[in-house]
Parts: sequence; C-alpha cells; structure tokens
Amino acid sequence: DIQMTQSPSSLSASVGDRVTITCRASQTISNYLNWYQHKPGKAPKLLLFRASVLQSGVPSRFSGSGSGTDFTLTISSLQAEDFATYSCQQSFRVPHTFGQGTKLEIK
Amino acid sequence: EVQLVQSGAEVKKPGESLKISCKGSGFHFPTYWIGWVRRMPGRGLEWMGIVYPDDSETEYSPSFQGQVTISADKSISTAYLQWSGLQASDTAMYYCARLRAGYTYSDAFDIWGQGTMVTVSS
Repeated sequence: DIQMTQSPSSLSASVGDRVTITCRASQTISNYLNWYQHKPGKAPKLLLFRASVLQSGVPSRFSGSGSGTDFTLTISSLQAEDFATYSCQQSFRVPHTFGQGTKLEIK
Repeated sequence: EVQLVQSGAEVKKPGESLKISCKGSGFHFPTYWIGWVRRMPGRGLEWMGIVYPDDSETEYSPSFQGQVTISADKSISTAYLQWSGLQASDTAMYYCARLRAGYTYSDAFDIWGQGTMVTVSS
C-alpha cells in the first residue's frame, strides 16, 4: 500500500491566519491527490482533487499544490467554519489510502 | 439532488452477520463507482473497497479483503457492505461515497452518505 503522511497532526490558528498542511506519499502518485474536510458528526467533504482542482462550491481561499510525492493544502485566510480535520488521499493506486488527518483548532 | 442515503445505526453481538446499505439518487447509479470508508474513534479514514454497480466489479483493500463483502444491486440503485461474523474491532462509523468521475476509479469521492454507526458488543 502507498503510505500517506500528513504534517502536522494538529495545528492551532486564529481567524484570518494563513495555514498550510502538508502530505507526503511513500511513492510517486503523479497528481492523484485529494483533500477532504471533516467535522464531528458530519460526512467528509471533498475540497480539492487532482492536487489543485477546486471542487465545485468550495471557497477560493482553499488551494492545493504539488506533484509526485509532496503536496500542500493552503487556506489563505481562516474562517470560523474552517476549524475541522483535514485529510489527504491518494487515488493513484488501489487501495486509495488516506493520511492520518490534521486537526485544525482555534488558538 | 444527488445524494447517497445510508441505512440506520446497528448494534450487534460478536459473531453476528450484518449488511448495511447505501441508496443513490439523482444520478445514474450503475455507472459510478461506489466505495466504503471506515472511521474508527480517534483514527483516520480507511479506504475499504469499491464496487461498479453496472457489472459488480469490485476492488478491495488488502486490509479488508476476506473480512467484508462489497456488492451492489443496480436495479434499486443500492450498494451494500456486509460482514459474516462481526468482531468488536468492527465497531466504527462506515461511510459510502461516490467516485467523482464515472469512467475511472482513479478519482476522489465527491458525494458521501451520512454514515452508518456499527457497534459490536457482547
């Protein structure tokens, strides 16, 4: 299986901050990298696919970059509703493994 | 509206069997891969496997192969996840989700069900 490693595991930030989360794959996955947001009691929500393509309806403050093994998710100006857990996922090879998640908390 | 609606929470005893469901609507169900994802308390998301309802082709994670069965009935737009002998370690929230592009499984999950909580306890 391809291992996906996110950093940091948790992060404290304030409304208005710029935040970056990284995701590293154990082998090259081209740009088959997806980002999800999930909140307690709710289903995960797709934010970006193919590393940098914004899913319809997702605010433009979310952006993604990377290719090969190293990827980033950036939130340009945190809003109150962005405090959640973020997970990356590779869809290059079955099984489409997820990272362990990054919990974004209010400072 | 495009949506997936899952069956309700289950409480079972170790060794019992279980089949949970995921009904799609608002899209052409047979031609979209449907997957299952596990979330255990305090752990990340785990990709279990996927099914293509049109021909019932499946792909499993090695971690779940032989432990669960994923299937679909395209005539009623429903996918299933089943166990033949539950264990306490199967206690988790289970989500179904649709792969974004119908023609390939190398893609993201864009539509998610609301989740089904499965509790296994003696």
